[in-house]
Amino acid sequence: KAGVTQTPRYLIKTRGQQVTLSCSPISGHRSVSWYQQTPGQGLQFLFEYFSETQRNKGNFPGRFSGRQFSNSRSEMNVSTLELGDSALYLCASSLEGGTWDTQYFGPGTRLTVL
Amino acid sequence: GNSVTQMEGPVTLSEEAFLTINCTYTATGYPSLFWYVQYPGEGLQLLLKATKADDKGSNKGFEATYRKETTSFHLEKGSVQVSDSAVYFCALSAYSGAGSYQLTFGKGTKLSVIP
Repeated sequence: KAGVTQTPRYLIKTRGQQVTLSCSPISGHRSVSWYQQTPGQGLQFLFEYFSETQRNKGNFPGRFSGRQFSNSRSEMNVSTLELGDSALYLCASSLEGGTWDTQYFGPGTRLTVL
Repeated sequence: GNSVTQMEGPVTLSEEAFLTINCTYTATGYPSLFWYVQYPGEGLQLLLKATKADDKGSNKGFEATYRKETTSFHLEKGSVQVSDSAVYFCALSAYSGAGSYQLTFGKGTKLSVIP
């Protein structure tokens, strides 16, 4: 079974631009979560989608948004980029998203904002 | 809220040494506990997990036991190898409202194993 895939793997943008990241979950998985990883803040939860609905959202500004499609693929969008948005963005998928469910992570998208 | 505290790194060990990385947590309800490992330039990989008190997770020689009385989930390995060099994250999964669950991570512990 193919793992979680994320595209693109690397992105360089300038301040003020917007960016869209894509995530394809493991086949059959319906829950997709997004995390931001930075050296200073570590791994922080952005949001989680299940059956095309956002079920939960972390403590990030409204510039960060996402969506999920009927095939469970998910996209994350960041508008009006700031230097502080430079990070590794990780997507994770799980079957149903319960506490016992293992989340499987993709390789991440490395975003650099200049 | 939920939180995970793990020992600060970096940790440097010689090959075949014993490894312990401490992890304690605070959570409401009955969380599941995980250890993830991140190799350089890669995403997170599940190392092991435990879903209820007294469960022991194990994989690739690593072990951790879910201790509810001490709210701990310490990672151990009897004999580390150079290939174990990576960053290790302790995490808990707990209910966060509206039918959703989320992973809360510790800050990570960087392990370097020298020959």
